[in-house]
Amino acid sequence: GAGVSQSPRYKVAKRGQDVALRCDPISGHVSLFWYQQALGQGPEFLTYFQNEAQLDKSGLPSDRFFAERPEGSVSTLKIQRTQQEDSAVYLCASSRDRDVIYEQYFGPGTRLTVT
Amino acid sequence: AQRVTQPEKLLSVFKGAPVELKCNYSYSGSPELFWYVQYSRQRLQLLLRHISRESIKGFTADLNKGETSFHLKKPFAQEEDSAMYYCALANQAGTALIFGKGTTLSVSS
Repeated sequence: GAGVSQSPRYKVAKRGQDVALRCDPISGHVSLFWYQQALGQGPEFLTYFQNEAQLDKSGLPSDRFFAERPEGSVSTLKIQRTQQEDSAVYLCASSRDRDVIYEQYFGPGTRLTVT
Repeated sequence: AQRVTQPEKLLSVFKGAPVELKCNYSYSGSPELFWYVQYSRQRLQLLLRHISRESIKGFTADLNKGETSFHLKKPFAQEEDSAMYYCALANQAGTALIFGKGTTLSVSS
């Protein structure tokens, strides 16, 4: 079956531009997570959705970052006025249930480069 | 504070040698711990979780609360084990995984 997909796979943005990153989770998965992975680091949590509800956004680094999942399926991570420090791989993961102890299925990531 | 530490950035072993990838954590209460693996040009995937107490691809990990460790072990490494390994901890709120920085395992013949 289809796994988690993300688009675009690569994005180059000029400093100050807005970007939108899309995540298509596995069909029927309740939980959706966004992580940011800087070069040489492990993934760092950004935000968590349970269906359409954003239950935890404590990892979003600034108010320039915004995420939504309006119908409880596809999610979009938006970064406004991009800065060089936003350059990273953005990973989306989904899980079949609401409990974080269940397996998270990761997408391939979107590599964002801000020039 | 909730934290995961993987002290080794790179671990190089020969095929057939034992492997131990170290993971230490900081957490109040009973932790839920995982190992995730990323093979070359593949996406991050779950290897094993401590609540399952299972062996996957010959790997095992035992939670040691006294030493706050969850080291990943395999008695005989194979070349196909070469990958990046991440130790992860479920946060207190149950809303996210906290990952370590990862250890690259390189198995050569």
